[in-house]
Amino acid sequence: ETGVTQTPRHLVMGMTNKKSLKCEQHLGHNAMYWYKQSAKKPLELMFVYNFKEQTENNSVPSRFSPECPNSSHLFLHLHTLQPEDSALYLCASSQDWVTGANEQFFGPGTRLTVL
Amino acid sequence: GQNIDQPTEMTATEGAIVQINCTYQTSGFNGLFWYQQHAGEAPTFLSYNVLDGLEEKGRFSSFLSRSKGYSYLLLKELQMKDSASYLCAVIYGGATNKLIFGTGTLLAVQP
Repeated sequence: ETGVTQTPRHLVMGMTNKKSLKCEQHLGHNAMYWYKQSAKKPLELMFVYNFKEQTENNSVPSRFSPECPNSSHLFLHLHTLQPEDSALYLCASSQDWVTGANEQFFGPGTRLTVL
Repeated sequence: GQNIDQPTEMTATEGAIVQINCTYQTSGFNGLFWYQQHAGEAPTFLSYNVLDGLEEKGRFSSFLSRSKGYSYLLLKELQMKDSASYLCAVIYGGATNKLIFGTGTLLAVQP
C-alpha cells in the first residue's frame, strides 16, 4: 500500500449504531487529519494529530471520537450520529502540523450515510 | 470571523487560459494552498504561497498578494482533464496553526 488509505470506502449506519473509520498513512508523516466534506460546503477540518497528540478539535460534537494510537494510524469512532452527519470523511497526512508549508496528502475518503 | 471567497463555478475552453480567484480574511497568515479535486476523488496538492508574487509550476501558476488578501490560480493550455474543483485554503494563526478551506471553484473545460 502506498500513500493514504481509508476503510471502509462506503458506510451506511443507523442513528443508534457504533462504527469506526480507519485511516493509515504509509508516508512516514507525523501529522494526521480528519476532514468532513459536505455538498456545497467548504472542507471542514475536524481534528489534527501531531506526533500522536491531538492539537486541534474544531468544535466537533462528541459523537465523533478520534483515536491516534501511533503516527501511522488514525481512527474516527462514530456513535449516535444524526442524518446531517452524512458526508464524505477524508483523512490526510503531512510531514508535521507546525510547519505550515507542508502539503497534505489525502486518502480517498469514506462516504458515510446515516439513516 | 475567518473567511475565504471563491467563485462557485467557471467555464473555459480547451486550450485557453483561466484564472481562478481567491480572497481571504483571516487573523494572521502563514500561507495559502491550492488543491485540485476531481469528482469522487481526494484533493491533491497543486501549490503553496507564503510570499507575495507568482509561483510557476508547469501549466499551473499561483499568485499571492498578502496586503490585498488575494490569490489566484492560473491554468494555461487547458485540457479536458483539468475539469475539477479547485480549493483555496489558508493556514493562519499565532502560537498554533489554524486551517480553513474555501468552498471550491468547479471548473468545466469545454471542447
